[in-house]
Amino acid sequence: RKEVEQDPGPFNVPEGATVAFNCTYSNSASQSFFWYRQDCRKEPKLLMSVYSSGNEDGRFTAQLNRASQYISLLIRDSKLSDSATYLCVVRGGRGQNFVFGPGTRLSVLP
Amino acid sequence: ETGVTQTPRHLVMGMTNKKSLKCEQHLGHNAMYWYKQSAKKPLELMFVYNFKEQTENNSVPSRFSPECPNSSHLFLHLHTLQPEDSALYLCASSQAGTASGANVLTFGAGSRLTVL
Repeated sequence: RKEVEQDPGPFNVPEGATVAFNCTYSNSASQSFFWYRQDCRKEPKLLMSVYSSGNEDGRFTAQLNRASQYISLLIRDSKLSDSATYLCVVRGGRGQNFVFGPGTRLSVLP
Repeated sequence: ETGVTQTPRHLVMGMTNKKSLKCEQHLGHNAMYWYKQSAKKPLELMFVYNFKEQTENNSVPSRFSPECPNSSHLFLHLHTLQPEDSALYLCASSQAGTASGANVLTFGAGSRLTVL
């Protein structure tokens, strides 16, 4: 089983749609959680950290369920500029390394 | 300069060449990383340095040789590479130590390598 798994995608949605991404992780010792976005041929950039109580940043809402080892990202009112690959990242356990999921690609269509 | 800077941005080399990738971070971080991203594949962790000491070598072939002279600089020395080594090589930095939501990974723009 991979350490971090994500919806395989791609997701093709119209502008204005609400889209949700799911992520599961296998290491119960994981301590911190993030969503990154990566545009085509660019480096990954931090979108938001994910906290136990859930957190929101504008149109983006992240949730963490430690018991189920599950992380989600909700994007409301999708924009064309949201088109990218969304990477779930987990840190903790031995080595405290950042472990990346394979990513879910989103295309927002006009 | 701010953030994480990588040079060169693009590199084309033959299988017998020797070249180096350079990374410099201006964030005051003390952990640095090399990742490899091949086309349509997830990010692969290659090496991790904490306080200049290598703490992770993810079974990387010896034709890739990292060097970390201080907490701000990281190199990846390349020799006798294969065409399948063509990829985007990303450098990143973070604070070493306890994981927290505030302790994030920051990437450079990457060095796109083509091996002929």
